[in-house]
Order: sequence, then structure tokens, then C-alpha cells
Amino acid sequence: EPEVTQTPSHQVTQMGQEVILRCVPISNHLYFYWYRQILGQKVEFLVSFYNNEISEKSEIFDDQFSVERPDGSNFTLKIRSTKLEDSAMYFCASSAGTSGRFGPGTRLLVL
Amino acid sequence: SQKIEQNSEALNIQEGKTATLTCNYTNYSPAYLQWYRQDPGRGPVFLLLIRENEKEKRKERLKVTFDTTLKQSLFHITASQPADSATYLCALDDGFGNEKLTFGTGTRLTIIP
Repeated sequence: EPEVTQTPSHQVTQMGQEVILRCVPISNHLYFYWYRQILGQKVEFLVSFYNNEISEKSEIFDDQFSVERPDGSNFTLKIRSTKLEDSAMYFCASSAGTSGRFGPGTRLLVL
Repeated sequence: SQKIEQNSEALNIQEGKTATLTCNYTNYSPAYLQWYRQDPGRGPVFLLLIRENEKEKRKERLKVTFDTTLKQSLFHITASQPADSATYLCALDDGFGNEKLTFGTGTRLTIIP
């Protein structure tokens, strides 16, 4: 069965640095998402992407965040200037309509 | 404001018994409700989706019910096995046709051999 893949699996960065998290969604899916999960907390929606543009974003997804689908297969989340509170697991998901398929996540640690 | 509650943070069940997990929501009119399994350090894995006009859905040892009057879903695992031990998340769409999901905090299920 096709899977969503994410790289890297772990990323450690210094506060204020830029990070790019990468995802390869399932190939025939049309909807793409980023979620995050702070340790011990619930999974939270960040942004959804459809037809090459953001369809919805949460309050968390401020100007420091951006998403791109640069080449028709990859889907990236960029955090321009990381903060300590950005430390979390970041999950990419894709969907053909309703149920989402999640990737294994990138564990981001901001020091 | 919208709220999803999974009323047990943790649940211990004897192997072979049926585990029943509850998801309650307020201030929502979701078009569908989903259940996911999450193992430590891993991403959520989709299990079942039930639509607002469906009362019950089954898949192998899993059964989900959806009562839009009570605003509640029950998730059952019959003949539970230690391998079923995980955190189970319920998730709802926002009812406006958007695909974004709002997750509950999850119930950590442990099946005791």
C-alpha cells in the first residue's frame, strides 16, 4: 500500500534558524496537510493545501510558516525563524477526499 | 467553541475482552468522524470513518457507532489482543466540507495479557 514519506525523521536546530521539512504525499492524492503534535498533547492542524494553494490555515500557521509543492511530488513546510515552542512532531498527511494518510513525522527540536 | 473529548485518558482491558472507547463533541456538526491509532513516536494510522447518516461501521474486530443526537461516537475492539495496545484518536471535520481534521486528545489503551 502506498505511504506518505517524510524527511528528515529528526531535526535539531538553533532558535532563529530556518528549517524545511519535506514530505512526499501519496501520488494520486489531491489534498495535502501539515499537522503538528507537541509532546504529550493532541495532534493540531496547521495548514491544508489544494490545487497549488493554501485552502485553510490555523492560528498557529503565522507568517513564520510557509508551504510549497515545488515539483508536483514533494510538499514542504518551511519555518523561517524557529522558536523554542516550535519543538514538536510535524506530520504531513494527504488525502483523496476524506480520510487522511499520515506520514511517520519529523521530530523537530529547537534549542 | 468547538470541543472534542475522549473521556478516558487511559484504559486497561484484559486480553480477549471488548474495549470500548468514547468520543464526545460539542458545538460541531461534523459530516463524518474518524478513528485513528497512534503508536508512540509514530504518525496516526487511519482505522475507520463513519458518516453522519451512518449509525454503525465495522471492520474486522473494530466497530464504530455514531450518534449525532447524543454527539457521541463509540469505538469497540472485540477479542482484544496485546497488539491492540496504542493510543486511539477520534477526529472530526469541521462540517463545512473542508478536509481539515480536529483531533481529540486520545485514549491510551493497554491490553493486559
